[in-house]
Amino acid sequence: DGGITQSPKYLFRKEGQNVTLSCEQNLNHDAMYWYRQDPGQGLRLIYYSQIVNDFQKGDIAEGYSVSREKKESFPLTVTSAQKNPTAFYLCASSTSGTIYNEQFFGPGTRLTVL
Amino acid sequence: DQQVKQNSPSLSVQEGRISILNCDYTNSMFDYFLWYKKYPAEGPTFLISISSIKDKNEDGRFTVLNKSAKHLSLHIVPSQPGDSAVYFCAAPAYSGNTGKLIFGQGTTLQVKP
Repeated sequence: DGGITQSPKYLFRKEGQNVTLSCEQNLNHDAMYWYRQDPGQGLRLIYYSQIVNDFQKGDIAEGYSVSREKKESFPLTVTSAQKNPTAFYLCASSTSGTIYNEQFFGPGTRLTVL
Repeated sequence: DQQVKQNSPSLSVQEGRISILNCDYTNSMFDYFLWYKKYPAEGPTFLISISSIKDKNEDGRFTVLNKSAKHLSLHIVPSQPGDSAVYFCAAPAYSGNTGKLIFGQGTTLQVKP
């Protein structure tokens, strides 16, 4: 089945450690996105990529890094510089970077920093 | 200023009745709106969309109305317990063809049996 996978579903890390969240899609989508969801807040865009080997900062990119070496993959690294990393992280993709193409979301990864 | 606001954090309705979820936006340049539905610990799924030049879009029990300035509403009729979820309103950022979406804070709908 085509879709977006995120792993792991739950992740625990000690404060000060970098952690990488996986996002893979087999929908042949060009564009991919990373969002963060906190209680009582909407989805906030961290990074996005419209094509391979290119990505742009979203609204809350500080403390995060990404790479887009393959069309199917868009991993997100939460670095120790991120001051409040505990959150629910969502990856999404769309057929292109155009606004009329809906974004398809993965199941999310809940990161807890202890 | 590009903001999408859902000022009601939660809504509770009885099964079979109508659910009305509201969404306000600040930028009159937004020309397309999407609604997503999200269950706990899952990713959002696309529900329905509407162009700013339309005043209504229907899909089964779901209807989006765009009849007031800078205001949208999602109507669910009749509401079912399986509709209990968080609903997000979203609009594409008016900053070129980037595909970026701006999301509201979400409204948690509870449909009571």
